[in-house]
Amino acid sequence: NAGVTQTPKFQVLKTGQSMTLQCAQDMNHEYMSWYRQDPGMGLRLIHYSVGAGITDQGEVPNGYNVSRSTTEDFPLRLLSAAPSQTSVYFCASSYSGGELFFGEGSRLTVL
Amino acid sequence: EDKVVQSPLSLVVHEGDTVTLNCSYEVTNFRSLLWYKQEKKAPTFLFMLTSSGIEKKSGRLSSILDKKELFSILNITATQTGDSAVYLCAAWPLRYGGSQGNLIFGKGTKLSVKP
Repeated sequence: NAGVTQTPKFQVLKTGQSMTLQCAQDMNHEYMSWYRQDPGMGLRLIHYSVGAGITDQGEVPNGYNVSRSTTEDFPLRLLSAAPSQTSVYFCASSYSGGELFFGEGSRLTVL
Repeated sequence: EDKVVQSPLSLVVHEGDTVTLNCSYEVTNFRSLLWYKQEKKAPTFLFMLTSSGIEKKSGRLSSILDKKELFSILNITATQTGDSAVYLCAAWPLRYGGSQGNLIFGKGTKLSVKP
């Protein structure tokens, strides 16, 4: 089992560029989520999904889009990157939203 | 507004010391409290506590929940350098007619264990 796989691990963007962070899990979890982690801010929820075709906003959704066409995949899209989106991004999944299994993180720098 | 507060934010100890990390919460419709350990990369799950007063234990780590006073503690005895990490606690609420809510994380306690 690979668990939760995120790609890429590192990315540098220029302001205004777009990109997609990929997340895949092989545990057949219905619940998937994206967090960002900034120094001194802890983990903050961006978007989450409770199943294929169902997504909802978390605490800090502005500037990000998600979709969930399959149980396995939950990509996070940045449509027009801003320096404030420089962060470490974690994808996580769980059976019901409790015990989360995290990917190894994607470090994004926006210049 | 739901919130989770951890203290201290950072802590430096020497190998062999015992440490206690604190987590208090104010959450509507509280269900459970979870602890995670984060080293270089992804947080890894340690404990989930749902019932008050029942200690959960794993090796040198233990944790307990007090639902009356709205806090949890994580104890680490005989600390080792490998315990150096950020320890995160998170409250898990119920939402919308009993459905599961999203975890609400504290900012973490950074523990440094010196040889």
